[in-house]
Amino acid sequence: NAGVTQTPKFRILKIGQSMTLQCTQDMNHNYMYWYRQDPGMGLKLIYYSVGAGITDKGEVPNGYNVSRSTTEDFPLRLELAAPSQTSVYFCASSSTRQSYGYTFGSGTRLTVV
Amino acid sequence: QKEVEQDPGPLSVPEGAIVSLNCTYSNSAFQYFMWYRQYSRKGPELLMYTYSSGNKEDGRFTAQVDKSSKYISLFIRDSQPSDSATYLCASGSGAGGTSYGKLTFGQGTILTVHP
Repeated sequence: NAGVTQTPKFRILKIGQSMTLQCTQDMNHNYMYWYRQDPGMGLKLIYYSVGAGITDKGEVPNGYNVSRSTTEDFPLRLELAAPSQTSVYFCASSSTRQSYGYTFGSGTRLTVV
Repeated sequence: QKEVEQDPGPLSVPEGAIVSLNCTYSNSAFQYFMWYRQYSRKGPELLMYTYSSGNKEDGRFTAQVDKSSKYISLFIRDSQPSDSATYLCASGSGAGGTSYGKLTFGQGTILTVHP
């Protein structure tokens, strides 16, 4: 029972490089989310998806893009990485049948230098 | 004003103490209130969930919601060193309508329980 799987766990990027953070869930959840966590700032919503082919912006979407071609996968793309994107990124999913609670992945720790 | 504000801590307590963690929220549409526990370098995990006002108890943990004052609390009785973690409060309007299950999180409180 894998839940939500994120890869990679750690990554160092140079300014201007691009990368994709992978997220896969095996619980057949319709809703998926990307958050970033900065020290003392809690979790900020970047993008979310309510099903395959449907995505929308959250609170802090600038510098990121997402796609959702399948129920299972919700990758987050960083274009032209900047030091301000240094953070820990968490993917989460939830079922439409429950109005509570996410299942989180273990996170990707990204440093942009 | 942030939609969910959490006492930032950090908190350091002796083993066996009663711990009180608190949040306030401003969005009257919030109906669901959660507490997540996050161990160092791990993802948050759901600890307690409450719908609307009231109390919910699970072992040593009690969650309280007072919608009239928009106040959320988590109490930990007989705290243990294994309770040392960051605790995040979260609120949302639910999965229906246009809220799509989105949650707004507090800043987190770092709790250390020392033997």
